[in-house]
Amino acid sequence: AQTVTQSQPEMSVQEAETVTLSCTYDTSENNYYLFWYKQPPSRQMILVIRQEAYKQQNATENRFSVNFQKAAKSFSLKISDSQLGDTAMYFCALNSNYQLIWGAGTKLIIKP
Amino acid sequence: DTEVTQTPKHLVMGMTNKKSLKCEQHMGHRAMYWYKQKAKKPPELMFVYSYEKLSINESVPSRFSPECPNSSLLNLHLHALQPEDSALYLCASSQGGGRQETQYFGPGTRLLVL
Repeated sequence: AQTVTQSQPEMSVQEAETVTLSCTYDTSENNYYLFWYKQPPSRQMILVIRQEAYKQQNATENRFSVNFQKAAKSFSLKISDSQLGDTAMYFCALNSNYQLIWGAGTKLIIKP
Repeated sequence: DTEVTQTPKHLVMGMTNKKSLKCEQHMGHRAMYWYKQKAKKPPELMFVYSYEKLSINESVPSRFSPECPNSSLLNLHLHALQPEDSALYLCASSQGGGRQETQYFGPGTRLLVL
């Protein structure tokens, strides 16, 4: 069975700090995609970043970057220079066999 | 443009009512999804349409009835719902329903069943 695990239910940091959210997964497939989605209190699920498993280079989108360790099946999200607008639930997801497998989510609070 | 729209934003209905949720995308995507999301939980997949055909039905009760009139529109018809069906209903779309595609989500409809 394919699984995604987020071990941090909640985190909080001061504005402008750097924060890393953890995600581990399990799959028997060789080719798959990994995603981080953000869901602010406004509730819209927003794609933050995605990583293709066959690419060794870590994906980066402005202040967001991932540390993808394929052998360890780890996919952490780093947010640099955190902003108040980054306050949200963050979900890690694995796309395999037409469906998204979701982690339980991490609630991130950015404090002013 | 990565916009998926959903109407209504909020819906309150009684257990005997019939209502519909609507979803629309103009990205030329050929796969559309319905999810149910409870508070502080990840979304749960309900239905997948690929090229206007129902391809996945996650054993959802028959009181939920999906419809895909064309490749841009997706409806979810609701009838005789239960209070436990109260949740956020999210629509998403992706390019063609392939194995590794990015799904883009709408803002959701907050449903309350009384």
